[in-house]
Amino acid sequence: KNQVEQSPQSLIILEGKNCTLQCNYTVSPFSNLRWYKQDTGRGPVSLTIMTFSENTKSNGRYTATLDADTKQSSLHITASQLSDSASYICVVSGLNEVRFGAGTRLTVKP
Amino acid sequence: NAGVTQTPKFQVLKTGQSMTLQCAQDMNHEYMSWYRQDPGMGLRLIHYSVGAGITDQGEVPNGYNVSRSTTEDFPLRLLSAAPSQTSVYFCASSRDRYLFFGPGTRLTVL
Repeated sequence: KNQVEQSPQSLIILEGKNCTLQCNYTVSPFSNLRWYKQDTGRGPVSLTIMTFSENTKSNGRYTATLDADTKQSSLHITASQLSDSASYICVVSGLNEVRFGAGTRLTVKP
Repeated sequence: NAGVTQTPKFQVLKTGQSMTLQCAQDMNHEYMSWYRQDPGMGLRLIHYSVGAGITDQGEVPNGYNVSRSTTEDFPLRLLSAAPSQTSVYFCASSRDRYLFFGPGTRLTVL
């Protein structure tokens, strides 16, 4: 069982709408959690990084939250744009390991 | 800065052939790593290096070799390609917990 589970696996929304992606993890002890955006045919690019003491962090229209007690994180995208179409990957670091979620494939339609 | 570069972008091999995937970075990062990305699965660590002359195995190292003779370069060698090694390979370098990924190499083994 993967130590980082993301949901949904895929999502289709209309341009301008908001959406929330989920990440649940079991990695322990916890060091930090990162969200990456991966455009088709390209490498992942960092969006946010959060440590244990941070429960929210924003990067433009992207807002990530972290609940270290329940081991859950979410990535909220506001006023989606066509360029938001990509895979979003949750990455959780422990003491000596880094675990990647399988990603959520987001499609934004006009 | 070019960031992290990878060559080739695409490669087709026959079972049993060997090849080297090239990775270079110009950010003077000490940490470099190789991952493979398969459909429905998170990125998995193959090998990593914390500095020139130092390499170590990741989660899925079998069938792959690496070396780190300089800070800039971190090539990945497939010794005898197998169909199970069909995947997209990403090289990354890291500083301050941020992973910077290359554009990837799509490898098909027939």
